[in-house]
Amino acid sequence: GQQVMQIPQYQHVQEGEDFTTYCNSSTTLSNIQWYKQRPGGHPVFLIQLVKSGEVKKQKRLTFQFGEAKKNSSLHITATQTTDVGTYFCAGLNSGGSNYKLTFGKGTLLTVNP
Amino acid sequence: NAGVMQNPRHLVRRRGQEARLRCSPMKGHSHVYWYRQLPEEGLKFMVYLQKENIIDESGMPKERFSAEFPKEGPSILRIQQVVRGDSAAYFCASSPRSGIRTDTNYGYTFGSGTRLTVV
Repeated sequence: GQQVMQIPQYQHVQEGEDFTTYCNSSTTLSNIQWYKQRPGGHPVFLIQLVKSGEVKKQKRLTFQFGEAKKNSSLHITATQTTDVGTYFCAGLNSGGSNYKLTFGKGTLLTVNP
Repeated sequence: NAGVMQNPRHLVRRRGQEARLRCSPMKGHSHVYWYRQLPEEGLKFMVYLQKENIIDESGMPKERFSAEFPKEGPSILRIQQVVRGDSAAYFCASSPRSGIRTDTNYGYTFGSGTRLTVV
């Protein structure tokens, strides 16, 4: 079955440093979504990428979708303490259902002030 | 404009008891999706329901788990004879139409979840 791998599992940075998490799917995706989950909270949708090679920015966050639509990355510039949380990528299998998202295990980001 | 509402937020059950988790979708939404999150894991799809219909339950364990979404009232995820391995966070999401559209920038809106602890 489809698998989505995410690395690193944990990342601890000093406030102001950059952060990147990577996502790789075993199969081609029709889309990739990113969610953020604060400790004790629920996943909150951040963004969706659909096109091959797509790049989207949200303030200090930059999201990329690979040319082969099998990998993605999230980069945060100059982290702040408010960025703390677990970042998940999730995708729909190309040619599969339009509702069964497969999630990676997430990257837990902690930020030292 | 209430979001997806789940209750209870926390539920403690002894082994062998039943757990009933409730999910009220957003107003106007007739599609509900349940996901389970084990400790330090990502979310895993369990079941997709429309009003009075189970569309896809391929992610549900074959035994002890059931789900419903009646014509009136919330969607219910029911776990009978709970075991320690059922301890997890259970999230639901809802949508007005089936699934995710790739022509928009909308993802799932999840409820706050129910954290089930089996002791």
